[in-house]
Amino acid sequence: GAVVSQHPSWVICKSGTSVKIECRSLDFQATTMFWYRQFPKKSLMLMATSNEGSKATYEQGVEKDKFLINHASLTLSTLTVTSAHPEDSSFYICSAVRGNYGYTFGSGTRLTVV
Amino acid sequence: EDKVVQSPLSLVVHEGDTVTLNCSYEVTNFRSLLWYKQEKKAPTFLFMLTSSGIEKKSGRLSSILDKKELFSILNITATQTGDSAVYLCAVFMNTGFQKLVFGTGTRLLVSP
Repeated sequence: GAVVSQHPSWVICKSGTSVKIECRSLDFQATTMFWYRQFPKKSLMLMATSNEGSKATYEQGVEKDKFLINHASLTLSTLTVTSAHPEDSSFYICSAVRGNYGYTFGSGTRLTVV
Repeated sequence: EDKVVQSPLSLVVHEGDTVTLNCSYEVTNFRSLLWYKQEKKAPTFLFMLTSSGIEKKSGRLSSILDKKELFSILNITATQTGDSAVYLCAVFMNTGFQKLVFGTGTRLLVSP
């Protein structure tokens, strides 16, 4: 079945540094990937839609200069949290579209900024 | 504004009970509705519904979509403690680009 690999699974970084999270579709090509953020005990919040070969589409209220998304190939999208602050600590999940057959999620990345 | 609303927000039942979870939506360019189960980490896919009135079934879980009234239900019969999770409803839209919007989720707790 379709597998999406996301890494790192968890990362701790210092305030002011940048962190890159990778999302790879392992056995299919994903022209579209989604990046979500989840706050504790709350639903997933869509941050942006990543389209291969074009700029990402950000949801209202999401700073595009802070959360850089690059979808350089059909199997890889990256989310870079720039100049991270403690309030950026969260669980970030990517998902990839596989045709009309639904979505596959990565396992998520727990980011802690200290 | 695209909106997906789930109810109830949380639910506690006893093992063996049957539960019905609700999801209503108001979105542009609806394509399909999806149900997920989330335990500890990433959500796991349950169902994708595209057509009205066709029930999808997997074991004790079933789901149906009503595109006229803009809602879907997820039924779980003979609940077990392992069914305890957050159940998420999401709507897939196509507004020039693909978009998936989640509801707030229903937290289900099945007590022994």
